[in-house]
Amino acid sequence: EAEVAQSPRYKITEKSQAVAFWCDPISGHATLYWYRQILGQGPELLVQFQDESVVDDSQLPKDRFSAERLKGVDSTLKIQPAELGDSAMYLCASSLSGVGDNTEAFFGQGTRLTVV
Amino acid sequence: GIQVEQSPPDLILQEGANSTLRCNFSDSVNNLQWFHQNPWGQLINLFYIPSGTKQNGRLSATTVATERYSLLYISSSQTTDSGVYFCAVEPNFGNEKLTFGTGTRLTIIP
Repeated sequence: EAEVAQSPRYKITEKSQAVAFWCDPISGHATLYWYRQILGQGPELLVQFQDESVVDDSQLPKDRFSAERLKGVDSTLKIQPAELGDSAMYLCASSLSGVGDNTEAFFGQGTRLTVV
Repeated sequence: GIQVEQSPPDLILQEGANSTLRCNFSDSVNNLQWFHQNPWGQLINLFYIPSGTKQNGRLSATTVATERYSLLYISSSQTTDSGVYFCAVEPNFGNEKLTFGTGTRLTIIP
């Protein structure tokens, strides 16, 4: 069964260091999402791609976060420098996309980030 | 943006009991999904249900789009049903931004 792949599963980093997460969506899925989930809350969208284009990054803290999906397939989310408040679960999801189409989203296992 | 409210926030039940979780949303939607977040944090798809009723084993869901709510029913609860249940919606305007509710934490006691 096709799955969204994410790595690493866990990451511990020191404050002010750089950290990167990788996501490989389900094959053929045009839309890719990065969500952040703080403990005890629901996931919140950081950035959304349609193929290689960003369609929504309004909640991405652009002074320290960056995201790319260069060939419209896999994606990287980077944080530099990391802050203590960035400790959270980072979730990647993908969907077939298309207004009016089935837009069911499927999530990867997530990367649990701890900043010390 | 669209508002998504889930109730109750917490639910503790004995094994074998039935439960109903509710999701209210503030605008018309193109997509509504129910997820179960397992202890390791992964979101497991339960239902893709922008309208109508679906059933999958002991779980079923109903979305009444005209009244802007959805219900998730769990029958004969098992301890493995414990976890957080999220409703997520995509509004019927703008881009495809899936917005999550705050979740219902379900605890099933043996």
